[in-house]
Amino acid sequence: DTAVSQTPKYLVTQMGNDKSIKCEQNLGHDTMYWYKQDSKKFLKIMFSYNNKELIINETVPNRFSPKSPDKAHLNLHINSLELGDSAVYFCASSQRGSAGNTIYFGEGSWLTVV
Amino acid sequence: QKEVEQDPGPLSVPEGAIVSLNCTYSNSAFQYFMWYRQYSRKGPELLMYTYSSGNKEDGRFTAQVDKSSKYISLFIRDSQPSDSATYLCAMSGGTGGFKTIFGAGTRLFVKA
Repeated sequence: DTAVSQTPKYLVTQMGNDKSIKCEQNLGHDTMYWYKQDSKKFLKIMFSYNNKELIINETVPNRFSPKSPDKAHLNLHINSLELGDSAVYFCASSQRGSAGNTIYFGEGSWLTVV
Repeated sequence: QKEVEQDPGPLSVPEGAIVSLNCTYSNSAFQYFMWYRQYSRKGPELLMYTYSSGNKEDGRFTAQVDKSSKYISLFIRDSQPSDSATYLCAMSGGTGGFKTIFGAGTRLFVKA
């Protein structure tokens, strides 16, 4: 069973479109994240939710909107896509307070904006 | 200055070599130190984590933390071509709370 699963894995779309990436974790964790990894492999946190409450909201354009319907799901919606949004987006989860808040990642969603 | 500094490499070694991967950091409050391995087209997977200073060994992998120098290392003994991946250090805790900060990752190539 996949612990953190996200869909779609690959997404090619045109500038200006709106798209969503979905994420689900079956680890029973209370915290979920969205990370962005650029072409240089640098992982940057975008958002984090703890028990459906937004706890980290880094400097991200407001075209990006996370939604957490429950603590096992965290979706990412992106409006008016731009070329610079092309990257790999990783969903992740952790259990707050355990083992240094060790983070478990999904397989990634490769977004290409053309 | 970035909170966590990691040489992006690439680092190329022959099979069987001992590999040393390192990170330095500036926030002395960090308490938890992790190493992740990321294969191409995959998500990062947790390799090892240590709490505070000291060493931790797991098979061919050894993680070291020197908090006095703000320096952490990952050693890979008898490296294998299957170890070829990007290795990311990460740290959390202290005044940073639960927020985890990642290094930029070091690309490692182990040649057969």
